[in-house]
Amino acid sequence: GDSVTQMEGPVTLSEEACLTINCTYTATGYPSLFWYVQYPGEGLQLLLKATKADDKGSNKGFEATYRKETTSFHLEKGSVQVSDSAVYFCALSDRSGGTSYGKLTFGQGTILTVHP
Amino acid sequence: DGGITQSPKYLFRKEGQNVTLSCEQNLNHDAMYWYRQDPGQGLRLIYYSQIVNDFQKGDIAEGYSVSREKKESFPLTVTSAQKNPTAFYLCASSLRPGQGPYGYTFGSGTRLTVV
Repeated sequence: GDSVTQMEGPVTLSEEACLTINCTYTATGYPSLFWYVQYPGEGLQLLLKATKADDKGSNKGFEATYRKETTSFHLEKGSVQVSDSAVYFCALSDRSGGTSYGKLTFGQGTILTVHP
Repeated sequence: DGGITQSPKYLFRKEGQNVTLSCEQNLNHDAMYWYRQDPGQGLRLIYYSQIVNDFQKGDIAEGYSVSREKKESFPLTVTSAQKNPTAFYLCASSLRPGQGPYGYTFGSGTRLTVV
């Protein structure tokens, strides 16, 4: 079945440091890929997405590129802020059909803490 | 503004009791989902529904039940058969595949604690 693997956390950075959170996936079809962010005590918010190979999703200074050859969708930001402290989830949506069509599969989440 | 409303935000349940978590959306989304979130385990799918009056079990459906009598509503009942119900529960909705961009809209969650 489909699966998503994220890098182990937690990740602790100083403000203005560079961020990379690794995400790799296994899927039988041609999935869409997503990054969601969860702030403390809240639900998840869509951060960015990519629907086909080589697409780059971007939002709020975060970027991720859909790499089919390496089955990866790593999240990057050049300069993090304290307000970026949250849990980040990588996810995929199977588009190959069947009862799982459209259902999201999530990674385990990566906790990011940014210090001033 | 359109969105998903989960209630209550905090819920306490005595052992042996059933409890129902509410999820309502006004986004005109066809599909709705319930996830359970535990520390360090990410999100696990409990049930999902792609159309009214139809729903399917997810990965951890045992001890839970749902109904989908209206497009806007997808309540989750945590039964006494669920052995470890203390968790954060998230409801989500999406357009049916093929009807628009992929991705979910999430509610703000309900934290259930068994006392």
